[in-house]
Amino acid sequence: DTGVSQDPRHKITKRGQNVTFRCDPISEHNRLYWYRQTLGQGPEFLTYFQNEAQLEKSRLLSDRFSAERPKGSFSTLEIQRTEQGDSAMYLCASSHDIEAFFGQGTRLTVV
Amino acid sequence: AQKITQTQPGMFVQEKEAVTLDCTYDTSDQSYGLFWYKQPSSGEMIFLIYQGSYDEQNATEGRYSLNFQKARKSANLVISASQLGDSAMYFCAKRPRNTGGFKTIFGAGTRPFVKA
Repeated sequence: DTGVSQDPRHKITKRGQNVTFRCDPISEHNRLYWYRQTLGQGPEFLTYFQNEAQLEKSRLLSDRFSAERPKGSFSTLEIQRTEQGDSAMYLCASSHDIEAFFGQGTRLTVV
Repeated sequence: AQKITQTQPGMFVQEKEAVTLDCTYDTSDQSYGLFWYKQPSSGEMIFLIYQGSYDEQNATEGRYSLNFQKARKSANLVISASQLGDSAMYFCAKRPRNTGGFKTIFGAGTRPFVKA
């Protein structure tokens, strides 16, 4: 296992389009997290899954954002009707216990 | 509101010297964990060290040690014998322990520049 994998690494989209990102966690990890990181800031928590259950969502996750983890393995994060303010790095992390392992992120640019 | 404060946006460090990265936090949690992550220019977040709020000993991992002062709500990272590869962004983070380990909050980061 090579760690947490995110796809795509980069995405450029026009304002108003929908985008979907994928995260494949480390296989034995039951916890999965999504974060958003803007330039010069630390990551901001978006949502958390334990297995397939989405147990917490940040208020940052507006109704244009939806995340799923249908079989408790990979997860998707969809942003509908993208806005320029959605431009950021989207990070996925997984954990079994204390330490969370991060993927390399998907950098979204909305033009 | 719970908040992590890292007041040193950037600093120069001489190679082979030790450097301390400051971190203070607000919390209303009885039990929590504190983390430091390194983020190189490639973007991935690399876990460095963890300290539990009820741990009596300060955490150490190789060249990294955490100076935990619970009463002051500070969790400073000490990097000993700095190397050129230590130049990166470093984030302090906190997570409550009794809620199953989600909703980690991060500081804004500190970037030491190690010079030869």
